[in-house]
Amino acid sequence: DGGITQSPKYLFRKEGQNVTLSCEQNLNHDAMYWYRQDPGQGLRLIYYSQIVNDFQKGDIAEGYSVSREKKESFPLTVTSAQKNPTAFYLCASSTSVDFYEQYFGPGTRLTVT
Amino acid sequence: GQQVMQIPQYQHVQEGEDFTTYCNSSTTLSNIQWYKQRPGGHPVFLIQLVKSGEVKKQKRLTFQFGEAKKNSSLHITATQTTDVGTYFCAGHAGNMLTFGGGTRLMVKP
Repeated sequence: DGGITQSPKYLFRKEGQNVTLSCEQNLNHDAMYWYRQDPGQGLRLIYYSQIVNDFQKGDIAEGYSVSREKKESFPLTVTSAQKNPTAFYLCASSTSVDFYEQYFGPGTRLTVT
Repeated sequence: GQQVMQIPQYQHVQEGEDFTTYCNSSTTLSNIQWYKQRPGGHPVFLIQLVKSGEVKKQKRLTFQFGEAKKNSSLHITATQTTDVGTYFCAGHAGNMLTFGGGTRLMVKP
């Protein structure tokens, strides 16, 4: 089956620890994205990547980091510098950043205490 | 930067009633997309509108793109309990997609 996978579905961490969220796609898409969703809120863009070895900051990049070493993979690290990391994190991909619909993974719900 | 606003934020309807959500952009859009997110799920693409004044239908759902390409609407006729979820619009201005805050639809059977 083609699609986007995110793991794990639920993640619990202690404050002060970095944590990396996985995102893998087998859709052969060039562009990949990370969004954050808070309860009852819309989607806010954290980082996006148009192509391998390239990525750009979104609206709320502070306290997050990414890498894009392979076309299929776009992991997100939530660092201890992120002041309020508890949220639902969604990864998405599209053919390119221009005009194409985005396909979303099932999301990872991160809780930091 | 570009802003996309959606209203209302929440809507409760009785099953069988109609529902409309509105989307407004601060800038002219190249296209508008609509997504649906079921409770506990992830957003799923519904449709894309590109042309000024475009209207598209998917069964009971009607999507419109404004003449000025700065607003859009989604209308659901005779809602069903399966329509429950949050509906997001998202607009391209330049090469980036900006999502609206979503409208959460609740349907009472």
